[in-house]
Amino acid sequence: AQSVAQPEDQVNVAEGNPLTVKCTYSVSGNPYLFWYVQYPNRGLQFLLKYITGDNLVKGSYGFEAEFNKSQTSFHLKKPSALVSDSALYFCAVRDPLGTYKYIFGTGTRLKVLA
Amino acid sequence: DAGVIQSPRHEVTEMGQEVTLRCKPISGHNSLFWYRQTMMRGLELLIYFNNNVPIDDSGMPEDRFSAKMPNASFSTLKIQPSEPRDSAVYFCASSPDRATQYFGPGTRLTVL
Repeated sequence: AQSVAQPEDQVNVAEGNPLTVKCTYSVSGNPYLFWYVQYPNRGLQFLLKYITGDNLVKGSYGFEAEFNKSQTSFHLKKPSALVSDSALYFCAVRDPLGTYKYIFGTGTRLKVLA
Repeated sequence: DAGVIQSPRHEVTEMGQEVTLRCKPISGHNSLFWYRQTMMRGLELLIYFNNNVPIDDSGMPEDRFSAKMPNASFSTLKIQPSEPRDSAVYFCASSPDRATQYFGPGTRLTVL
């Protein structure tokens, strides 16, 4: 069965420091992987996706993620965190050979401290 | 593009009343999804439409929930009768390729 795990409920990082939000997945075959961000009282905003190709994917607002097939991970990273990056981050996976459904992780709350 | 539009943004109703949530997907997107988000259960997919046809409604909690998509630019999610446990944020999302989904701002439903 497909699954996505975000092992940390919350990540705290100081402004200007690099940040990592972790995501691991379990899906047969080569997955489609996504990161979304949710600000308070807003919908989910698409950040980036991995479908195929280069394992390092660059997305919006300076975020990037690295697909690691051997570790079945897709961690979200940013070299220098901003206070405005504070939000709820969701990892999602879709089996390209299966259904259209996303499986979402439980979300990780990122808090960037000034 | 205005993005996915949902209305109302907030809805407060009393138990037993009918609630209708509305969604306008991004023009040209042929897939539409309804989700529900709660603290306890996270994001749950309720129903998926492709080319206006319901493909999978297995996530609809019970018969009190129904969804329609009469045309490519409009969808509704109806709850009748509503119950307090239906209180949640309901999101609509559309996709041009069934890969990347674009979410609306959500409707916060409170059933008293």
